[in-house]
This record gives sequence, structure tokens and C-alpha cells, in this order.
Amino acid sequence: GENVEQHPSTLSVQEGDSAVIKCTYSDSASNYFPWYKQELGKRPQLIIDIRSNVGEKKDQRIAVTLNKTAKHFSLHITETQPEDSAVYFCAASIEGNTPLVFGKGTRLSVIA
Amino acid sequence: KAGVTQTPRYLIKTRGQQVTLSCSPISGHRSVSWYQQTPGQGLQFLFEYFSETQRNKGNFPGRFSGRQFSNSRSEMNVSTLELGDSALYLCASSASGTGTSGELFFGEGSRLTVL
Repeated sequence: GENVEQHPSTLSVQEGDSAVIKCTYSDSASNYFPWYKQELGKRPQLIIDIRSNVGEKKDQRIAVTLNKTAKHFSLHITETQPEDSAVYFCAASIEGNTPLVFGKGTRLSVIA
Repeated sequence: KAGVTQTPRYLIKTRGQQVTLSCSPISGHRSVSWYQQTPGQGLQFLFEYFSETQRNKGNFPGRFSGRQFSNSRSEMNVSTLELGDSALYLCASSASGTGTSGELFFGEGSRLTVL
């Protein structure tokens, strides 16, 4: 089955700097890659997703890139703010076929 | 529109007991998935129900089971509890199911402590 590795497990950045979180997946058939954000004590929420037919997607300060050949995808957050502090989870699936498999999460701390 | 509701929010059990957790999805959503969240392992998939049928199952022992009712509400049961079952159990509802490009809407979770 699918296996998703996520790095780093913790990340600290200064406010205003960029943050990058990387994930690799094992099943080359996976074609759907969402990212979820979980603030302390709250439920995970979808922040951005990408399908395998595109290489990059942006939404304001966040972007996701996908490299199908290398089987990895990354979350990029620019101009980080304290409210970006949270645990971020990447996930992968074969759309409509297999359940989402999540990485173990990255705890991002934005230091003011 | 009401969100995903999970009950109970907190519970404490002892080893060997069993527990039943409940999840009410967003109205109109037919898929309910369950995930176990622990600090070291992230979100691990337990199972998914869609229109009362189990559609997918993760790599958990048979002590973990679930079901879905005709109103889409779902329950999961863990029998013969072990210390390692202590975790936050999250359910997520979606219109089309986990793994599709539809968003998963998570509940706040049921935090189970096994003593």
C-alpha cells in the first residue's frame, strides 16, 4: 500500500521567512495530494490540494509543487505569520480508489 | 450547516474494556472515515463507510470495528482495550469519500485514555 514520508517533523522560522515542508510517496499511481493544517487543539482542515496533472498550485501565501518522477511534493509558505504556527499533514491517494494516507506531520513554529 | 459532531469528547477506560465512539457527519455527506491520531504516528486510517457499507479498511486489528447507519451516522468500537489504544480518534465526513478530491471535514475528535 501507499506510504507517505514527511520531513521535517519540526520546523521553526522567523516571522516573515519562508517555510518548506516536503513529502515523498511510494505508489506511483497516486494522483491526489492534499495538505491539512491542524492548529493546537483544533481539527485538521484542508488548506490546499493538487492533482497529478499539474506541477504547481498557488493560493495567496501558500503553494504546493509536485514532482511525479521523483514522487515527492512540497508545501511552501511565504511571508510566514504567527497564525501559520500549526501541525501540517500531507497526504496521498489514488483519487476515487484508495483512502488518504497521511504523513506523520510537521510542527511549524513561527517566531515573532 | 452543522459540522461533524463526535461524542463523547473525552473518555477514560481501563485495559480490557470496550468503547464505542459516535460520529454524526455533515448533512448530506454519505462518507464517514475514521482516523487514529497519536503524537508519533500522525493520522492513521482505520476505515471508511459509504452508504452503510465499509469501503476501505486500514491495517488495524480486528478489535477495531465500525458501522454506519441509514442516516449516515457512524460508530466505531474498540474491544479489549490496550494501553496503546490511547489516542485521539477523529472522524471525517465527505460527500464523495476519502481519497477523492473532495475535502474531508473532520470532527473535533474523541480523546480516549486507557489506564
